[in-house]
Amino acid sequence: DAGVIQSPRHEVTEMGQEVTLRCKPISGHNSLFWYRQTMMRGLELLIYFNNNVPIDDSGMPEDRFSAKMPNASFSTLKIQPSEPRDSAVYFCASSLGEGGNEQFFGPGTRLTVL
Amino acid sequence: GEDVEQSLFLSVREGDSSVINCTYTDSSSTYLYWYKQEPGAGLQLLTYIFSNMDMKQDQRLTVLLNKKDKHLSLRIADTQTGDSAIYFCAESIDSGNTPLVFGKGTRLSVIA
Repeated sequence: DAGVIQSPRHEVTEMGQEVTLRCKPISGHNSLFWYRQTMMRGLELLIYFNNNVPIDDSGMPEDRFSAKMPNASFSTLKIQPSEPRDSAVYFCASSLGEGGNEQFFGPGTRLTVL
Repeated sequence: GEDVEQSLFLSVREGDSSVINCTYTDSSSTYLYWYKQEPGAGLQLLTYIFSNMDMKQDQRLTVLLNKKDKHLSLRIADTQTGDSAIYFCAESIDSGNTPLVFGKGTRLSVIA
């Protein structure tokens, strides 16, 4: 299994631009999580899905952030418009869901907003 | 609310044992995890423990849980230079389909 796949691995953009981060969970996993890692705040949950349905998006910082999971094998996290304070590493993780105890993380997308 | 605390740094000599400590506040935590992050990489799950256990051993790794004091530790025996990384403690109130709450991470430096 290829594990959780994220793209791009690195993204450099200018303030005001739209950014789309992509995630492919492990096949057969029913839960998907988006986390953000910064030096100041550490790892924080942004949003998570069970069976493609958003369960908790209270960690999404502002309306500029949106996430979708159109099917079981793909999710996007979009920032529009991006700001320098959005610079961070964004991780996607997946798990089996009910009865699964482990969350597996992707390699992350390092976002830099200039 | 949920909170997970870890010391930020630990330095040990190669061959010694490392002990990384973590405290958490949420008494309803069901699963407690240890993840390892190497520079520029994602998080690798090392081990986890269910809250009705007090110890789990996996090769060089030993996890101890004191549920009364809400204290979790990770012991790495015979620490090697390849163990140098950031170690994150995390909790969840249910199994893998609920979010993890992470500590800030402990940076382990192994001196040859």
